[in-house]
Amino acid sequence: QVQLVQSGTEVKKPGSSVKVACTVSGDTFTNYAISWVRQAPGQGLEYMGGIMPISGRANYGQKFQGTVTITADRSTSTAYLELRSLTSEDTAVYYCARDGGWLQPRYYFDSWGQGTLVTVSS
Amino acid sequence: DIQMTQSPSSLSASVGDRVTITCRASEDISSFLSWYQHKVGKAPKLLIHGASTLQSGVPSRFSGSGSGTDFTLTIGSLQPEDFATYYCQQSYSSPPTFGQGTKVEI
Repeated sequence: QVQLVQSGTEVKKPGSSVKVACTVSGDTFTNYAISWVRQAPGQGLEYMGGIMPISGRANYGQKFQGTVTITADRSTSTAYLELRSLTSEDTAVYYCARDGGWLQPRYYFDSWGQGTLVTVSS
Repeated sequence: DIQMTQSPSSLSASVGDRVTITCRASEDISSFLSWYQHKVGKAPKLLIHGASTLQSGVPSRFSGSGSGTDFTLTIGSLQPEDFATYYCQQSYSSPPTFGQGTKVEI
């Protein structure tokens, strides 16, 4: 049974950066893409981008190009989401999610992390 | 980006009711449609992918149908644990996009 466990709550100042971790256990980390989805307060789910650990290739939603970096560390089976130049609009719960496709992303998500709350406030 | 529109935005129902949620895509997405259940403070849960394929472990009272632009999630007999927000999501083209959600309340 695959499990995705995320790092804990973060409180950040505007203009700073944050890095959220997602550690995968129970299945082969490299064979499935990991994506990041966020939920701002009172809002729905929004795809940010994802990475295929076997290749290290990441892709991003257009809205997040330039302010977000997604990486993967195969030695620790951990994916990371880094957000830079934080503003109050980045306050949200960030979820990592495993893709349902083996070796090739299919862009639906069959396992999710528990979520990480990032609060941006001065 | 492909826009996904769900209706209704919320609904009130009772245990045992049959519930139907509709999702419409802004363009043809074939059967590249998934449904998720999301409870407050919990991770979203995949219910259905490929428009009608039930994810392993999901109760059979959940079913999905549709293709092209119009899709439906049906809960055959609503149970207490089904009160949640439901999202559709297209995986036809990148970026994957979600509907705005349908909150199912008592």
